Amino acid sequence: AQSVTQPDIHITVSEGASLELRCNYSYGATPYLFWYVQSPGQGLQLLLKYFSGDTLVQGIKGFEAEFKRSQSSFNLRKPSVHWSDAAEYFCAVGAGAAGNKLTFGGGTRVLVKP
Amino acid sequence: DVKVTQSSRYLVKRTGEKVFLECVQDMDHENMFWYRQDPGLGLRLIYFSYDVKMKEKGDIPEGYSVSREKKERFSLILESASTNQTSMYLCASSSPRQGATVEQYFGPGTRLTVT
Repeated sequence: AQSVTQPDIHITVSEGASLELRCNYSYGATPYLFWYVQSPGQGLQLLLKYFSGDTLVQGIKGFEAEFKRSQSSFNLRKPSVHWSDAAEYFCAVGAGAAGNKLTFGGGTRVLVKP
Repeated sequence: DVKVTQSSRYLVKRTGEKVFLECVQDMDHENMFWYRQDPGLGLRLIYFSYDVKMKEKGDIPEGYSVSREKKERFSLILESASTNQTSMYLCASSSPRQGATVEQYFGPGTRLTVT
């Protein structure tokens, strides 16, 4: 069975600084990988996804993620954080048809200092 | 724009009550999902459905059932609510017609408290 680990429960970053969120997965086949963001009081919104091709994936809101098969990782990055990026971030691995059945990590809550 | 709506944002029920959580999507999606979200555990899949009247168990189906009588509506049922079912419940939908990788669209969630 697949699993996802997000080692950092909380991260505090200053506005304008760079951000990197870690995600490690376990899955026997080629993974479908996703990053979602949940702003306070909101549902989840997809930031980006990866299945194949270029291992550096661009998403919305200036985020990108890099798939590293050798490290079983799919880390999310943003060069310069804005106050509106304060939210909880979830990494997920998809199994089944087109990666439809998702397994989520525990989430990383990002706080942004002015 | 895909819209997934959930019947209540907040719900308080008593132990032993039968609880219905409703989810409606307006994009003619075939797939619908129910998750529960708990701090530190992320989202865990309770049940999902690939078609009307079809359902499959997810990772934590115990204590829950579902109903999908119409394509746009997916209901989660707690037959006899217990305090350990206090949680945030999220509904999602997707369509295999999206292509190679299937994005799930989420509703805003229902925060259920069982006392």
